[in-house]
Amino acid sequence: AQTVTQSQPEMSVQEAETVTLSCTYDTSENNYYLFWYKQPPSRQMILVIRQEAYKQQNATENRFSVNFQKAAKSFSLKISDSQLGDTAMYFCAFYLSNDYKLSFGAGTTVTVRA
Amino acid sequence: EPEVTQTPSHQVTQMGQEVILRCVPISNHLYFYWYRQILGQKVEFLVSFYNNEISEKSEIFDDQFSVERPDGSNFTLKIRSTKLEDSAMYFCASSRTSGRSYEQYFGPGTRLTVT
Repeated sequence: AQTVTQSQPEMSVQEAETVTLSCTYDTSENNYYLFWYKQPPSRQMILVIRQEAYKQQNATENRFSVNFQKAAKSFSLKISDSQLGDTAMYFCAFYLSNDYKLSFGAGTTVTVRA
Repeated sequence: EPEVTQTPSHQVTQMGQEVILRCVPISNHLYFYWYRQILGQKVEFLVSFYNNEISEKSEIFDDQFSVERPDGSNFTLKIRSTKLEDSAMYFCASSRTSGRSYEQYFGPGTRLTVT
């Protein structure tokens, strides 16, 4: 079974500042995908960013970017220019090709302060 | 933009009762999933479904649970005899068969409260 670890239960950041969320995972496989999902107070799960393990280039989506270190099995999320609407729980998730399921970390609650 | 929908948004039921949670996946998606999230905990995989059969299920998905695609649009999760510990948020998700088939899109969830 794949395990996903998010070691930071809570993070707080000032509006317009940058925050980085950590995620590590454990797998012996080579072909997999990694995701960050955002869950605001409404509890809807929103896909923020994705990374294919076979790609060396780090994914970027507007203010969100990742630092993917395959050898270290690390997949951190950086939120730049934080906005109040970024306040949410953020989940790191792992998907093994042909495994049909996402494995989630425990989540990190991010609070953006005005 | 197409989205996954779920009904009801909140369901309250008494212990021992049967509940059916409904989902309408994105129309050109053929893989379907149920996940649950107990309050304050992480999201857990329950079951995946493709071509009218279960592809994979977790240990949580015991004989009390079943899934069905009764028609061309709905995907349902049935809990036969609810227990207090079934109280959770239940998320439906779907993904495509080609291209970025690994991307799962989630519905807004159904909050199930068992009293």
